[in-house]
Amino acid sequence: DQQVKQNSPSLSVQEGRISILNCDYTNSMFDYFLWYKKYPAEGPTFLISISSIKDKNEDGRFTVFLNKSAKHLSLHIVPSQPGDSAVYFCAASRIGQGGSEKLVFGKGTKLTVNP
Amino acid sequence: GAGVSQSPRYKVAKRGQDVALRCDPISGHVSLFWYQQALGQGPEFLTYFQNEAQLDKSGLPSDRFFAERPEGSVSTLKIQRTQQEDSAVYLCASSSPGGQPQYFGPGTRLTVT
Repeated sequence: DQQVKQNSPSLSVQEGRISILNCDYTNSMFDYFLWYKKYPAEGPTFLISISSIKDKNEDGRFTVFLNKSAKHLSLHIVPSQPGDSAVYFCAASRIGQGGSEKLVFGKGTKLTVNP
Repeated sequence: GAGVSQSPRYKVAKRGQDVALRCDPISGHVSLFWYQQALGQGPEFLTYFQNEAQLDKSGLPSDRFFAERPEGSVSTLKIQRTQQEDSAVYLCASSSPGGQPQYFGPGTRLTVT
């Protein structure tokens, strides 16, 4: 059973507009969430994260929102640029497990930003 | 500074062969993770090291998979008697004490023919 779900396999937006990528999770024990960007033939690159004690974290053009009651997070990219075209993965973890803080990933959303 | 490096980048193995995949983590990172990514899927956890201790190997799919990190830096993932379903990208990630975020290497694409 998938614990982290990205229900949109793809998203296409115009350059300069907002991109909104969504992610849902089922395990209420998750308390740390991350977004990674992946280009073909490269490893995932860390973008931004958020702890469950917050509901928003912002870094430049990237903002992550967390709604714990709905078990939902989203990544907003404003303004979108053609270089943002990539696959975006949502990941979740449990901090301080006393051992493995392994990441559980969604299947990814392919974002295409059109010039 | 240098990121996580992995070698080889690509490996083709005949079914039944053994393979060894190498990961060089970021210097000073005590935590090291291995993930397997099948086509069209997100990465899936295989195993975790803290320094040289393998603290979690719950994701290893079978006893054909073995990982080690003898000196607490470089790690090797070994797959014995490879099978077609082992074809995937194998990703290594490392992190500083505290655990997150994890920084990934470029991966090794394994194709078993």
